[in-house]
Amino acid sequence: QQQVKQSPQSLIVQKGGISIINCAYENTAFDYFPWYQQFPGKGPALLIAIRPDVSEKKEGRFTISFNKSAKQFSLHIMDSQPGDSATYFCAASVAYSGAGSYQLTFGKGTKLSVIP
Amino acid sequence: DSGVTQTPKHLITATGQRVTLRCSPRSGDLSVYWYQQSLDQGLQFLIHYYNGEERAKGNILERFSAQQFPDLHSELNLSSLELGDSALYFCASSRAGGGYNEQFFGPGTRLTVL
Repeated sequence: QQQVKQSPQSLIVQKGGISIINCAYENTAFDYFPWYQQFPGKGPALLIAIRPDVSEKKEGRFTISFNKSAKQFSLHIMDSQPGDSATYFCAASVAYSGAGSYQLTFGKGTKLSVIP
Repeated sequence: DSGVTQTPKHLITATGQRVTLRCSPRSGDLSVYWYQQSLDQGLQFLIHYYNGEERAKGNILERFSAQQFPDLHSELNLSSLELGDSALYFCASSRAGGGYNEQFFGPGTRLTVL
C-alpha cells in the first residue's frame, strides 16, 4: 500500500517557469512533510519541510503548500533554473512516536528537467 | 557533503553471496536509518537504530540484518543475495530519536547482483 502518492512522474519546465509537484498521503498520523532533492549519483538532501500547523512555507524560490483536510501537499519552484534539474521526493513522517522511530515514507519521485 | 559516509560506493557480487554495507553517521547523531532505492519501489525504509538499539523495521527481508555499534557506525548485512536485491542502499542519520529532526543522507552504496 503506497501511503504517499506523488505526481507527476516527470516534468519538463522552461527556464523561468513554475514547477509544481503534488503529493497526497493517507495516514492521518503523519505530521511532518519534508521534500528531498536528489541529483544523479548523490543521496537525497532536504530541500524544505512543513508541519501541518501552517498552510504554506516559503524558502527562497521554493514553497510548500499544505492542505490538511484534503491530505495533500505540493512543492512549487518559482523561476525554475537548469540547476534545479533533479529528482524531487516528497515524504512524510510522524513527529512523535511511542516506538521512538520516525522513518520517512517517500513518494515515488518526480524527475524535473528545466530546459533553457 | 552531508557528513554521512558510506562504504563501499559500488559493490558487484554474485547471487547467493553475502555482503556488508557500512555507514558512519554525522558526528553527534545517534539515529541511523537504512533505506533501499530501486527503480520500481522507489525509496523504502528498511530499519532504524538509535544509540545501538533497534527501533523499527520496515520492508526489510529476513535475509537482511543490521546493527549499530558502540561508536554509532552501522552495518547492513545482506545474505543469500538475489538479482532483485540490486539497488542503491542509503543510510541517513539524525540528531536524536525523532521529533522534527532532519535526516541527513549518505552518498549511498550501489549494489549489483549478477
